[in-house]
Amino acid sequence: ETGVTQTPRHLVMGMTNKKSLKCEQHLGHNAMYWYKQSAKKPLELMFVYNFKEQTENNSVPSRFSPECPNSSHLFLHLHTLQPEDSALYLCASSQDGAGGGADTQYFGPGTRLTVL
Amino acid sequence: QKEVEQNSGPLSVPEGAIASLNCTYSDRGSQSFFWYRQYSGKSPELIMSIYSNGDKEDGRFTAQLNKASQYVSLLIRDSQPSDSATYLCAVNTRYQKVTFGTGTKLQVIP
Repeated sequence: ETGVTQTPRHLVMGMTNKKSLKCEQHLGHNAMYWYKQSAKKPLELMFVYNFKEQTENNSVPSRFSPECPNSSHLFLHLHTLQPEDSALYLCASSQDGAGGGADTQYFGPGTRLTVL
Repeated sequence: QKEVEQNSGPLSVPEGAIASLNCTYSDRGSQSFFWYRQYSGKSPELIMSIYSNGDKEDGRFTAQLNKASQYVSLLIRDSQPSDSATYLCAVNTRYQKVTFGTGTKLQVIP
């Protein structure tokens, strides 16, 4: 596989469920990102990992828990979500965060999440 | 003031015309600028990146950057119906934080 992959592509869950989103990048990048995109809203940066270390947590509620075991894999663990958390969750990766092109982000196809 | 601002549109242009998309940003220290295209229900796809003042051309697309005026634009020549999408401007406003605008919806009318 090439690029950035995400699974599952669609997820429906109840508010009491626990689920995880998975992202994998095959680009040899060192930085990975989680974004949330709600209808008619801009992309919201949630978390940033650089060389497996979390470098940004954009005031995300604790019901979202990221995990980055290595530079190629990123997870988003979901627990007791709310209906307003329904959105498209996008994973992206970049070579690193520096400028000059290394910060160019490449996106996965996203996971469409519906919370009932 | 928003960090990255775009007109939400929709911007309607006839097929074959030039579409002009604009974006302004607030952080004078920004160094990297990106244009992404996003079709409905799909993820953003990188079209162009630009890092220095002036124009950068790639096929039918031209990105223009003016750091003094803090704006970046995207021109699409010979617009096609397949260009109809939302175009996102993104700016690296500080180390490792790329901020996206709300996007401009482009409609190319056949």
